[in-house]
Amino acid sequence: AQTVTQSQPEMSVQEAETVTLSCTYDTSESDYYLFWYKQPPSRQMILVIRQEAYKQQNATENRFSVNFQKAAKSFSLKISDSQLGDAAMYFCAYSMNYGGSQGNLIFGKGTKLSVKP
Amino acid sequence: DAMVIQNPRYQVTQFGKPVTLSCSQTLNHNVMYWYQQKSSQAPKLLFHYYDKDFNNEADTPDNFQSRRPNTSFCFLDIRSPGLGDAAMYLCATSGDSGGSPLHFGNGTRLTVT
Repeated sequence: AQTVTQSQPEMSVQEAETVTLSCTYDTSESDYYLFWYKQPPSRQMILVIRQEAYKQQNATENRFSVNFQKAAKSFSLKISDSQLGDAAMYFCAYSMNYGGSQGNLIFGKGTKLSVKP
Repeated sequence: DAMVIQNPRYQVTQFGKPVTLSCSQTLNHNVMYWYQQKSSQAPKLLFHYYDKDFNNEADTPDNFQSRRPNTSFCFLDIRSPGLGDAAMYLCATSGDSGGSPLHFGNGTRLTVT
């Protein structure tokens, strides 16, 4: 069975600095997707970034980038130039590449990020 | 803007009194999901629809049912809510290609008294 582990329940970063959130996963599949979702307090969950397992290049999205290490099954999120609006719960998630139906998106337990002014 | 809308935002029900949560979408996505999220926990998938095909997770209690009358709407019915069913319920949609990201609604927070 696939699992997603986020070992940091809480993290804190100073505004304008860089923070890295860790995520490891376990799967026997070779074709899958990895995601980071952000859930601000009392607001909807939104996609931050997506990585396709068969692409070696790390995904980037403005200030957000990932370090995808397929052999190590590691998928960390780096947030550069942290802003107060980045404060949220961050979930790492995994899905197999079904095609047709995405099926179950497996979430980690989340990392609560605080940003200090 | 295309979006996923959940109503109501907050719902209070009595122990054992049936309750229905609703979700609508303007994204025209084939796949719709219902997740249960308890405090400080990861969302847990209850079931999903691929078009009209219903897919129930093995550990979803029989107390939870769902209906999808058309592409745009999906309902979560809790037949006899217990105190342990108090949670945030998240509706999400996605396209049907592999790796399509989920688009979430704001959620409905259910309180059971």
